[in-house]
Amino acid sequence: SQTIHQWPATLVQPVGSPLSLECTVEGTSNPNLYWYRQAAGRGLQLLFYSVGIGQISSEVPQNLSASRPQDRQFILSSKKLLLSDSGFYLCAWKKAGTNSPLHFGNGTRLTVT
Amino acid sequence: KNEVEQSPQNLTAQEGEFITINCSYSVGISALHWLQQHPGGGIVSLFMLSSGKKKHGRLIATINIQEKHSSLHITASHPRDSAVYICAVRPSSDSNYQLIWGAGTKLIIKP
Repeated sequence: SQTIHQWPATLVQPVGSPLSLECTVEGTSNPNLYWYRQAAGRGLQLLFYSVGIGQISSEVPQNLSASRPQDRQFILSSKKLLLSDSGFYLCAWKKAGTNSPLHFGNGTRLTVT
Repeated sequence: KNEVEQSPQNLTAQEGEFITINCSYSVGISALHWLQQHPGGGIVSLFMLSSGKKKHGRLIATINIQEKHSSLHITASHPRDSAVYICAVRPSSDSNYQLIWGAGTKLIIKP
């Protein structure tokens, strides 16, 4: 069966520090991968998606970047965090090329202080 | 006006009650998702619908494409059902899985 792992679960970082959140998927190959952010009291916003290794599409301009160094690994990064980067970050995957459901990781709660 | 509207925003009920959460949308869609978000933040995908009705345990989801409306029902509700329930649609025009999300319905089931 397929599983998705996202870590860390919680993170407190000072303004200006770097960020690296990691997401890996097991049990499937060539998944579509997604990073979402949920700001407090608001809905989910798609940040990045990837349909293959090295292929990253950004949905909103921001202080963040994403990379997909391996087929089932998706990394969300920042060189210098801003206070406004605080939020709940969710990684998700779905089977490529089909109208199949999204599967979410457990999320990372990031607090920038 | 949001393209996906959920009602009610908040719902408190007693254990055992039949629960209905509604979702209306204004765009053509290829799929509609119902998701559950627990207080810790984790999100679980409950259903993905493009027509008709689906049932999983005590949860039932229906969709009426012509009326652009979906409902999520919970039978014999239990305190562990307390969570935020989110409706999200995939527009027909979308190619990148950029979903349009409802604001969520916060459900509290009291014992």
